[in-house]
Amino acid sequence: QVQLVESGGGVVQPGRSLRLSCAASGFPFSSYPMHWVRQAPGKGLEWVAVISYDGSDDYNAAAVKGRFSVSRDNSKNSLYLQMNSLRPEDTAVYFCARRFWQHPGYFDYWGQGTLVIVSS
Amino acid sequence: QSVLTQPPSVSGAPGQRVTISCTGSSSNLGAGYNVHWYQQVPGTAPKLLIYLNTNRPPGIPDRFSASKSGASASLAITGLQAEDEGDYYCQSYDTRLNVYVFGAGTKVTVL
Repeated sequence: QVQLVESGGGVVQPGRSLRLSCAASGFPFSSYPMHWVRQAPGKGLEWVAVISYDGSDDYNAAAVKGRFSVSRDNSKNSLYLQMNSLRPEDTAVYFCARRFWQHPGYFDYWGQGTLVIVSS
Repeated sequence: QSVLTQPPSVSGAPGQRVTISCTGSSSNLGAGYNVHWYQQVPGTAPKLLIYLNTNRPPGIPDRFSASKSGASASLAITGLQAEDEGDYYCQSYDTRLNVYVFGAGTKVTVL
């Protein structure tokens, strides 16, 4: 069955960096675009970033552009989110999600999320 | 301010029918982009409930139905059950912002 498992979250000071990972299994990972979506405590869902199935193209939300970068290693069935220059407003649970259907598609499977807290 | 507008909360007694609206604009739902719905029980990941406006994934009860017309969409839950409590989000794509957009979410409470 499809499984997405995020890791790498934690408490980090403002201005520092953190790298999240998402381990995928149960499907041909290299065939699917993958996304990051976050949810601040008590708030709604916010789309963060997408990467194409082969990693050749990626796109970020304006709120994280220039600070976050998404990448993938299809040989390891893994998705990553490199987060630099973190701000308190980046505090959230970060979910990886598989996109299904042609662009823009929808998110048919989600990981359980990993919590990032940006605080001094 | 979310690009897609949902009511903050709806409630109903067990067995009743509730509906959740999702209102967009000419750059998302009104531009013909599909709407999708997710259910999230607090503390867990969102789960796909409805895709491509009206379709239920395997395992989703037919108590859940949805529709879309122009820049608006709605989700209906009939025969409300206690297990339906949670937050419900609509989602689409906005061609003006070039991003995936979510509604702010609607909390469903079973009285």
